[in-house]
Amino acid sequence: DTAVSQTPKYLVTQMGNDKSIKCEQNLGHDTMYWYKQDSKKFLKIMFSYNNKELIINETVPNRFSPKSPDKAHLNLHINSLELGDSAVYFCASSQSTATDTQYFGPGTRLTVL
Amino acid sequence: KQEVTQIPAALSVPEGENLVLNCSFTDSAIYNLQWFRQDPGKGLTSLLLIQSSQREQTSGRLNASLDKSSGRSTLYIAASQPGDSATYLCAAPIKAAGNKLTFGGGTRVLVKP
Repeated sequence: DTAVSQTPKYLVTQMGNDKSIKCEQNLGHDTMYWYKQDSKKFLKIMFSYNNKELIINETVPNRFSPKSPDKAHLNLHINSLELGDSAVYFCASSQSTATDTQYFGPGTRLTVL
Repeated sequence: KQEVTQIPAALSVPEGENLVLNCSFTDSAIYNLQWFRQDPGKGLTSLLLIQSSQREQTSGRLNASLDKSSGRSTLYIAASQPGDSATYLCAAPIKAAGNKLTFGGGTRVLVKP
């Protein structure tokens, strides 16, 4: 059983396009996260939602817009893609807060050409 | 300033040797510390979570220690196997970062047969 799933696994697109990444968790967790892992492999949090409410919004360009239709789903929409957006994006979830164990999805490798 | 640091960035050992992975953090008031494993092109797998009240946590060949006063955690992997080759990341909710899970840069481990 997949606990945290993401689609697509790979995404290759041109600069200026708009794209979305989807995430779903079947763990019954209240909190979901988006992380970005850059080419140097550093993982940094972008957003966090708790029960569909945005609770963390790091200094991320407003071209990135998360949406949580329900607590099991957290999608990430990116407008006007730039070369610097190329990275691996990970979704994660935890029972309630960031101090609980976080479970990660397999990642979406985004390449902007 | 990097709040969670892992040194060295890469480590190579012969099969059978014990692995010692280091993690340093700046906030002695962390709630817990997590160790993750990341295989190339994959997501993160949670290995161990040590609560702030614990000194160590064990799971099979893995043992993680936590010393909050010195700001250090160590992950020991006994009798390493080639299948242990991966990148190991530590992460902690850092107060200065609003208790967001903050990751170290990871240690890339290669266990040679």
